[in-house]
Amino acid sequence: DGGITQSPKYLFRKEGQNVTLSCEQNLNHDAMYWYRQDPGQGLRLIYYSQIVNDFQKGDIAEGYSVSREKKESFPLTVTSAQKNPTAFYLCASSPLISGNTIYFGEGSWLTVV
Amino acid sequence: RKEVEQDPGPFNVPEGATVAFNCTYSNSASQSFFWYRQDCRKEPKLLMSVYSSGNEDGRFTAQLNRASQYISLLIRDSKLSDSATYLCVVNQPGGYQKVTFGTGTKLQVIP
Repeated sequence: DGGITQSPKYLFRKEGQNVTLSCEQNLNHDAMYWYRQDPGQGLRLIYYSQIVNDFQKGDIAEGYSVSREKKESFPLTVTSAQKNPTAFYLCASSPLISGNTIYFGEGSWLTVV
Repeated sequence: RKEVEQDPGPFNVPEGATVAFNCTYSNSASQSFFWYRQDCRKEPKLLMSVYSSGNEDGRFTAQLNRASQYISLLIRDSKLSDSATYLCVVNQPGGYQKVTFGTGTKLQVIP
């Protein structure tokens, strides 16, 4: 099936640890995105990438890092520098042409314990 | 002014009612518009695109008013299964997809 796969779905992290969230898509989309959603809040853009080996900061990039070594993959690392990482993380992708629909993975729940 | 604004609700309506949501956007050059539905603790899913001429999909009707810079979503004959948060999404011009989400309007359909 075509789509976006995020893993893990649930992740618990101790304070001070880095964690990496996986995102893989087989839709052949050029653009990929990472969003963060806090309870009762809207989606906020962390990073986006339009092409392999290139990515741009979104509105809340501090404490996060990404890579785009393959078109299909856009992993997100939540570093220990992120002060309040507990949230719902959503990966998305879309064709590069403006106006096209954006599709989401099922999301990853990260809790700091 | 926020780039995309929605009334957060919640809108509590009885089954069978007609309900409408509005969403305003600040950038007059915005090019494309969508409504997404998000169930509790799930990812957003595309409900429908919004076209300049207005469009309908079953019980759902979306409209765009460029002069007043808002889009609307009308749901007729509300079902219990329509209970969700509805997100307004605006694509702004640029060399890439600058996608801006509203914070969502929560709908609760009551038996």
